[in-house]
Amino acid sequence: GNSVTQMEGPVTLSEEAFLTINCTYTATGYPSLFWYVQYPGEGLQLLLKATKADDKGSNKGFEATYRKETTSFHLEKGSVQVSDSAVYFCALSDGYFNKFYFGSGTKLNVKP
Amino acid sequence: EPEVTQTPSHQVTQMGQEVILRCVPISNHLYFYWYRQILGQKVEFLVSFYNNEISEKSEIFDDQFSVERPDGSNFTLKIRSTKLEDSAMYFCASSVGVGGSGQPQHFGDGTRLSIL
Repeated sequence: GNSVTQMEGPVTLSEEAFLTINCTYTATGYPSLFWYVQYPGEGLQLLLKATKADDKGSNKGFEATYRKETTSFHLEKGSVQVSDSAVYFCALSDGYFNKFYFGSGTKLNVKP
Repeated sequence: EPEVTQTPSHQVTQMGQEVILRCVPISNHLYFYWYRQILGQKVEFLVSFYNNEISEKSEIFDDQFSVERPDGSNFTLKIRSTKLEDSAMYFCASSVGVGGSGQPQHFGDGTRLSIL
């Protein structure tokens, strides 16, 4: 079956620190992979995506590379800001069914 | 930028009552979804809807749940007889195409449903 596993949070960093949030997946087909971000009191916003192996998605300084050999899609940012504090969700869609499978979310706290 | 809108933002209902959650998807999108997130847990798929019919539903989506697209713009989720365990944040989403082709789903801000 399909599933997504994320590192547990919360993750607490100082401003300008390097961020990695691990995400691994299990899929029966050839999934597309996504990162969504949820700010307090808001819905899920698409952060970035990758549709095939070795693709790199990027947006707002965040990056993630689709690694088929390690079934991973880790989220990275070189220098986090206080405004990046949010919950980050990794998700996959296998394309056969329309539904998304979400990880459990990782809360990021960035301190000034 | 077009967005998915959901109403109400918070709904408080007595156990056993019917509740309807409303969503207006992005206008040129063809696929519609409902998800829920129980506090502190994963976002879980409930149902997908395409071409005026359910394309897939999860085990959670039992006979107490139904979805409808009553006109060209609204997409509703009805829970017929609410239970305490239905308390959750409910998210509506829409997409132009299917996720496997790289098409993302666009989410609304959610409706927090509280069952008393």
